[in-house]
Amino acid sequence: QSALTQPRSVSGSPGQSVTISCTGTSSDVGGYNLVSWYQQHPGKAPKLMFYDVNKRPSGVPDHFSGSKSGNTASLTISGLQAEDEADYYCCSYAGSFTWVFGGGTKVTVL
Amino acid sequence: EVQLLESGGDLVQPGGSLRLSCAASGFTFSFYAMTWVRQAPGKGLEWVSSVTNSGDDTYYADSVKGRFTISRDNSKNTLYLQVNSLRAEDTAVYSCAKEGIGYSFDYWGQGTLVTVSS
Repeated sequence: QSALTQPRSVSGSPGQSVTISCTGTSSDVGGYNLVSWYQQHPGKAPKLMFYDVNKRPSGVPDHFSGSKSGNTASLTISGLQAEDEADYYCCSYAGSFTWVFGGGTKVTVL
Repeated sequence: EVQLLESGGDLVQPGGSLRLSCAASGFTFSFYAMTWVRQAPGKGLEWVSSVTNSGDDTYYADSVKGRFTISRDNSKNTLYLQVNSLRAEDTAVYSCAKEGIGYSFDYWGQGTLVTVSS
């Protein structure tokens, strides 16, 4: 149950694109198309941004996208906006009703 | 509107115990699995424990197995986490989360703070 690996921080100017990687193993990210992403603003509860790798719940803006290749999932924010500044966490189902989260990535809008 | 409201967090000495609660509303509680996730100060999210909708099956992270017990009372729409033999490294905000599509967590509470210190 080792945490998934995410970069500690990424940054970009408004309008630019940033991508957050989330690397696991064949026992979690690579083994299931069950990666979810969460956005967390300071002092707030996490908000579900993606499930099943790339499916957006209603209300999530479409300038966010999710993908996966092998043991690495990615979250891309295209057309970065000020309100996108937050912490982002990936999470993967790891079998037998267990989950593993990433360490989190702080997105800064310059 | 789905609401999850945790309570029960406190300052406790190493080796102590607490019972955390999560009161749910706005959805049919008995239909969904529920999960506890914790976040240590300045750290990332950590999955702690999950329970199936009936309460018959429970699952734990290795870091808490044997010390924490998850349970639920569907008649009271409430999720519980009994935390025993607490250690300094258990200091965190404990949040409950509702099962979502694709093994995700679609609603979260704000959390309750557990501080383990002498």
